Amino acid sequence: DGGITQSPKYLFRKEGQNVTLSCEQNLNHDAMYWYRQDPGQGLRLIYYSQIVNDFQKGDIAEGYSVSREKKESFPLTVTSAQKNPTAFYLCASSIGRGVVNTEAFFGQGTRLTVV
Amino acid sequence: AQSVTQPDIHITVSEGASLELRCNYSYGATPYLFWYVQSPGQGLQLLLKYFSGDTLVQGIKGFEAEFKRSQSSFNLRKPSVHWSDAAEYFCAVGPSNTGKLIFGQGTTLQVKP
Repeated sequence: DGGITQSPKYLFRKEGQNVTLSCEQNLNHDAMYWYRQDPGQGLRLIYYSQIVNDFQKGDIAEGYSVSREKKESFPLTVTSAQKNPTAFYLCASSIGRGVVNTEAFFGQGTRLTVV
Repeated sequence: AQSVTQPDIHITVSEGASLELRCNYSYGATPYLFWYVQSPGQGLQLLLKYFSGDTLVQGIKGFEAEFKRSQSSFNLRKPSVHWSDAAEYFCAVGPSNTGKLIFGQGTTLQVKP
């Protein structure tokens, strides 16, 4: 089945540690995105990538880093510089390539808790 | 500034009753509008989208939405709610060719038996 796989589903991190969230897609999409979800705030864009080896900051990129070495994969690292990392993180993808009238498809999310 | 407002944080309706979830947007370019639904602890599923053409769009699970440019609104409706519709609903706006979306705060729907 085509889709977006995020792992792990739950993640616990000690303060001061970096942690990497995985996102893999087999939809042959060029574009991938990371969103953060907090209660009552909707989703906010962290980083996005339109093509392999290129990515741009979203609205709340501070304390996060990404890489896009393969088309299928877009891992997100939450660094110790992120002041309030406990949240639900959602990865998404879209066709990209300037194709219009498309939508974003979402993974099932990773809940990160700092302990 | 670009934004999406969902005025109702929480709505409770009885099963079988009609539903309308409100969404207002502010967007500088031609708006492409989406409604997503999220069950607890899950990802987002697309209910419907508006790109152009007929301003009344049909989606999955019996939902529809109407785009009103003059009111900058894209309200979601369902004539008869089922208990399985209880979830959180997000309205979003963005360009037509990317997943860079601006989301509303979400509306939590509770369904009473």
